[in-house]
Amino acid sequence: DARVTQTPRHKVTEMGQEVTMRCQPILGHNTVFWYRQTMMQGLELLAYFRNRAPLDDSGMPKDRFSAEMPDATLATLKIQPSEPRDSAVYFCASGLATLREGETQYFGPGTRLLVL
Amino acid sequence: KQEVTQIPAALSVPEGENLVLNCSFTDSAIYNLQWFRQDHGKGLTSLLLIQSSQREQTSGRLNASLDKSSGRSTLYIAASQPGDSATYLCAVSRRMDSSYKLIFGSGTRLLVRP
Repeated sequence: DARVTQTPRHKVTEMGQEVTMRCQPILGHNTVFWYRQTMMQGLELLAYFRNRAPLDDSGMPKDRFSAEMPDATLATLKIQPSEPRDSAVYFCASGLATLREGETQYFGPGTRLLVL
Repeated sequence: KQEVTQIPAALSVPEGENLVLNCSFTDSAIYNLQWFRQDHGKGLTSLLLIQSSQREQTSGRLNASLDKSSGRSTLYIAASQPGDSATYLCAVSRRMDSSYKLIFGSGTRLLVRP
């Protein structure tokens, strides 16, 4: 049963600390997406990659957020330094096409982040 | 700026009813529209994807329609079941600046009462 996995599932940290979230896309998928979901803003696209190359990260605050794909089986999203307003659920999704081609994205269970 | 609106925000129906969820978007220049389901505390599951050139898609008891010219989509659920209780989100894909974006509505929370 192929699925996207994310770690950690929950993270509580103090303001100013570094946070690293990890995602393992479905084997064979070549596109990875990072989303953030909050009550106020809903679901927002932060960044996406195709074949490990960043296609777009304009939805991400550049000064503190960074997203990478060190290899095809791992995507990371880092926040340094973290702030209380970063508290949200962060979802990773993988697929076989870009948004334009519109193929199905498969979502992970999310990382629930709380920054105190 | 593309905005996606979903009405109603919440809906409660008795089991067995047919229901319609609505999604509207302000810019008709979209590549596709997708309907997702999100169970409480979980990730999203893609239900249906409609390309911009299509009018509707069907999967089991679900039927989604798309009217690009009016900026509207509907998700029709037939013979609703308690297991259909979840939040349903629609999202449009379109080009913004030099890249493509997936823009979500705020969702409709559905409760199907036994």
